[in-house]
This record gives sequence, C-alpha cells and structure tokens, in this order.
Amino acid sequence: QLQLVQSGAEVEKPGASVKISCKASGYTFTMYFIHWVRQAPGQGLEWVGMINPRGGSPTYAQNFQGRVTMTRDTSTSTVSLELSSLRSEDTAVYYCARAGTYWFDPWGQGTLVTVSS
Amino acid sequence: IQLTQSPSSLSASVGDRVTITCRASQGISNYLAWYQQKPGIAPKLLIYAASTLHSGVPSRFSGSGSGTDFTLTISSLLPEDFATYYCQQLDTFPLTFGGGTKVEIK
Repeated sequence: QLQLVQSGAEVEKPGASVKISCKASGYTFTMYFIHWVRQAPGQGLEWVGMINPRGGSPTYAQNFQGRVTMTRDTSTSTVSLELSSLRSEDTAVYYCARAGTYWFDPWGQGTLVTVSS
Repeated sequence: IQLTQSPSSLSASVGDRVTITCRASQGISNYLAWYQQKPGIAPKLLIYAASTLHSGVPSRFSGSGSGTDFTLTISSLLPEDFATYYCQQLDTFPLTFGGGTKVEIK
C-alpha cells in the first residue's frame, strides 16, 4: 500500500553527521516531491526542505543551508537526508512526506535523531 | 509567511463544536492544509486546499477560508479527536506551519 518507511533511530555526538532514509512504495516514486519536516521534543513542525525524485537541485530551508543534503535513489525509491555539524538543538523527530500541490500525504513514521555527548 | 493559530489550546467535551483559526501574515489564496497529530504519531492530513476533505476523513471535519484567514471546524467532538491540530501553508517557500492547537478533554 501507499507508504513511506523511514530508517531507525540514531544517536550522534555534537559535530557529527547523520544520514536517514525514507523508502517509498505503493505509487510511482518520480511523480511526487518528497519533503522533510522535523519536530523537536514537545515542539511544533519545522520544514527542512524538499527533493524532486526526478532530479534537479533540492530546495532547503535557509536555517539548514550548508548543513543539509538531500539525495534520491530511483532504483530503490528512496530519498535520504544528511545533516552535518550536529548540535543539541537538532535533536528531533525527522519526518519525510510525499507532497502534492496542496498537501503532504502520507508521512513517514518518523526517525528520532538524538544529539548528545 | 507566518501562520498564527488560535487558540494554542482548548478544553472541550465530547459532542462540542470546536473551531480553530489560522491567520497568515500575507495572502496565500487557498494553499492551506490542516493536519491532526496524536502523541508519538506522524501528522495525518485532514483538509487540503483550505476546504477539501481528504479521503477517509470523517465529515464532522470541515475547513473554510481564503487569503489570510482560515478555520478548521469539528462539528461534534468524538473521543478520538483529542489531539493537536496544525495548519500549513504551501503557497511560498519556506513552507511553514502554525504553532498548533491542542484539543484536550474537559
């Protein structure tokens, strides 16, 4: 069925990098953009950026410019998010979501990234 | 574009009618979606294009508005509706979300 399945929880030290993945199934992978959204503990939703599975340059939120890289692998219908120079404020659940013009649906189950020394 | 949701929280009883508002700092036409989130679970799409009910979402949920002012209404609260609700604008990058409205049991 239509779903996005994300990789498991990660624990990283400050200054390190983390890479998490999001595997799509149940639809044509190249037809919809994939966005990443994060949610710090007890906080709201923050847009990180998006990638077009067909190719082209991803679009990143300014807050993450220079630290974030999004990639896609059409052979496995997977997109990845890499965040570098991690700090404690990056501790959050990271979600991927399929996007249409007016919506995000479905969302992945979320990946908890914990940054701690 | 900033999205201001109000109230940030509310207490209501089963059967109550609940209205949540979302105000955009500039016009976004109808590029607005509403999501429901329960603790530990990813957000779920309720309404898109300001007023279109997503497939499978109960008809007690409705959305309205255009431009800068939007509302989400739950006509008669059920126990499973106690959750946090977020609006999102998809008009302009960076995409943004409202701060959320937590609907609690009175």
